[in-house]
Amino acid sequence: SAVISQKPSRDICQRGTSLTIQCQVDSQVTMMFWYRQQPGQSLTLIATANQGSEATYESGFVIDKFPISRPNLTFSTLTVSNMSPEDSSIYLCSVLPYQTSSDKSSYNEQFFGPGTRLTVL
Amino acid sequence: DQQVKQNSPSLSVQEGRISILNCDYTNSMFDYFLWYKKYPAEGPTFLISISSIKDKNEDGRFTVFLNKSAKHLSLHIVPSQPGDSAVYFCAATSYGQNFVFGPGTRLSVLP
Repeated sequence: SAVISQKPSRDICQRGTSLTIQCQVDSQVTMMFWYRQQPGQSLTLIATANQGSEATYESGFVIDKFPISRPNLTFSTLTVSNMSPEDSSIYLCSVLPYQTSSDKSSYNEQFFGPGTRLTVL
Repeated sequence: DQQVKQNSPSLSVQEGRISILNCDYTNSMFDYFLWYKKYPAEGPTFLISISSIKDKNEDGRFTVFLNKSAKHLSLHIVPSQPGDSAVYFCAATSYGQNFVFGPGTRLSVLP
């Protein structure tokens, strides 16, 4: 498993401002993801954070709105830019660790950070 | 179009009884299914998974059943405990990519 921390845990922001969320993992991981959970909804994948290259965004999410950095195998940031009240959500990072076991039954298990609760006024 | 559905937004069960949470999917390319549990103010925690080559996987009080022909899976918790009260998300993936989560079912285990 992997231990994941996120900063900040919560924030209240003004419309039009930007917030950068940090995700730190205690071990090197192959893949890191950013999700959003809007009130009453399920988790929606925003993008895959690729180490050393541009993130891969899902349909409906663009780099200008959600720029992502991943400078190394243990850290990533997500910025929510030019925020509006519709961006009020919980933002979660998750990881797929390196799998050293030949038992592929566990190779799909993502581990999630605690989330960042964002409220935009 | 929701590819993973959890049609019961909430479920209440008495302590000691069985909890059954259901999940349906539409994409036949999904080959791996997972259940996550989420407490308030915490990130989802992996609970149990099942590969599409199996029809059952058991881990302690938790058992997941997969019916591929019906594109249906279920999570059984026996016996249910108050600490099991949480939101449960069903998730599906294809070849380790494109994880899709269901909307979640809030389970309340009553003492």
